[in-house]
Amino acid sequence: NAGVMQNPRHLVRRRGQEARLRCSPMKGHSHVYWYRQLPEEGLKFMVYLQKENIIDESGMPKERFSAEFPKEGPSILRIQQVVRGDSAAYFCASSPNTGLIPNGYTFGSGTRLTVV
Amino acid sequence: DAKTTQPNSMESNEEEPVHLPCNHSTISGTDYIHWYRQLPSQGPEYVIHGLTSNVNNRMASLAIAEDRKSSTLILHRATLRDAAVYYCILRDGTGNQFYFGTGTSLTVIP
Repeated sequence: NAGVMQNPRHLVRRRGQEARLRCSPMKGHSHVYWYRQLPEEGLKFMVYLQKENIIDESGMPKERFSAEFPKEGPSILRIQQVVRGDSAAYFCASSPNTGLIPNGYTFGSGTRLTVV
Repeated sequence: DAKTTQPNSMESNEEEPVHLPCNHSTISGTDYIHWYRQLPSQGPEYVIHGLTSNVNNRMASLAIAEDRKSSTLILHRATLRDAAVYYCILRDGTGNQFYFGTGTSLTVIP
């Protein structure tokens, strides 16, 4: 039973390019969460999605960032026109549902984005 | 979700018990106490969670104060593989997100 799969593990982009980060949740999990971790800091919530729906995007920057979780395929976190400040580790987590099971999520190993 | 306070770092000798404290004085009645740990270059890993009663699992024990304003994660015998950043997190039973602080960086000395 594979865990949460994120790819790529490492991504290098030049300023102004687009970054696409992929997350395949655990089998049977229909809820996906994205977190960002800046160097030397804790994780910060970005967005929570269910299949084809954004449930909570209160942590997403207002511009250049978007997320989707289509009916088929992985969840995608997209960053347009990247800047140096976007350099961070981006973690995806999944759960079978939310709220009703308080024991939390399973996290992937993350994508480390470096903007040069 | 209420905030938590943890020491920035702690050290332990290998094969000795480790007690990692966490203060959460503003905890509400519906907040669960979760512990995750993050090994270098990896995503956070679930350790344990509880509401009011002490909890035990194969990884650790969680001791919760009677007033719930603090808790302690107990690793019974620290190994080198337990070196990680440990996060104490409060989460409302219906909350969508976890609020990670900066955690406690545990160093295990051989």
